[in-house]
Amino acid sequence: ETGVTQSPTHLIKTRGQQVTLRCSSQSGHNTVSWYQQALGQGPQFIFQYYREEENGRGNFPPRFSGLQFPNYSSELNVNALELDDSALYLCASSLQGDNSPLHFGNGTRLTVT
Amino acid sequence: AQSVSQHNHHVILSEAASLELGCNYSYGGTVNLFWYVQYPGQHLQLLLKYFSGDPLVKGIKGFEAEFIKSKFSFNLRKPSVQWSDTAEYFCAVNSEGGATNKLIFGTGTLLAVQP
Repeated sequence: ETGVTQSPTHLIKTRGQQVTLRCSSQSGHNTVSWYQQALGQGPQFIFQYYREEENGRGNFPPRFSGLQFPNYSSELNVNALELDDSALYLCASSLQGDNSPLHFGNGTRLTVT
Repeated sequence: AQSVSQHNHHVILSEAASLELGCNYSYGGTVNLFWYVQYPGQHLQLLLKYFSGDPLVKGIKGFEAEFIKSKFSFNLRKPSVQWSDTAEYFCAVNSEGGATNKLIFGTGTLLAVQP
């Protein structure tokens, strides 16, 4: 089975710019979650998508937005980048349901200068 | 608000030593509990999970964890560590009624096993 793949692996942006991160879910998974992992911290839940709609959101401002496509792949968009947005962004796919474990990708390392 | 605390940020052990990593959570209701591991250069992967039933759960690679509800704890243990256990370990909780599979992670414990 194909695992979760994320692109790009690394990205450097300037404060104020916009960025799009991409994620392909594991084969057969219909739910995608995004997490932000700042240096020295654990992952923090941004939001989750199921059936192309947002299905839960963490404590992140509206400039963090997402999409899920019919093939279950997903995008994370961040507008008006701030220095504190520098982090590792993790995508995780799963099946819908509380008992379905998350399968994580390797992440996208975003640096905002 | 829910939170997860991992008391040990950095642990150094020799091979064959026993391991116990602490994890406490703050939530009074029903919870699902997880330990994830991240080996160097690899993605986060599930080590073990607790949903209900026997509070002592066994995971991959000889790891186990015990859920003690009265202490709001879910400590990870391994009787004898190997060099290959060098990794970062994250405790996480998912509360019933929260967004499906929304996990709250601790800050992680970096384990270094010396040969």
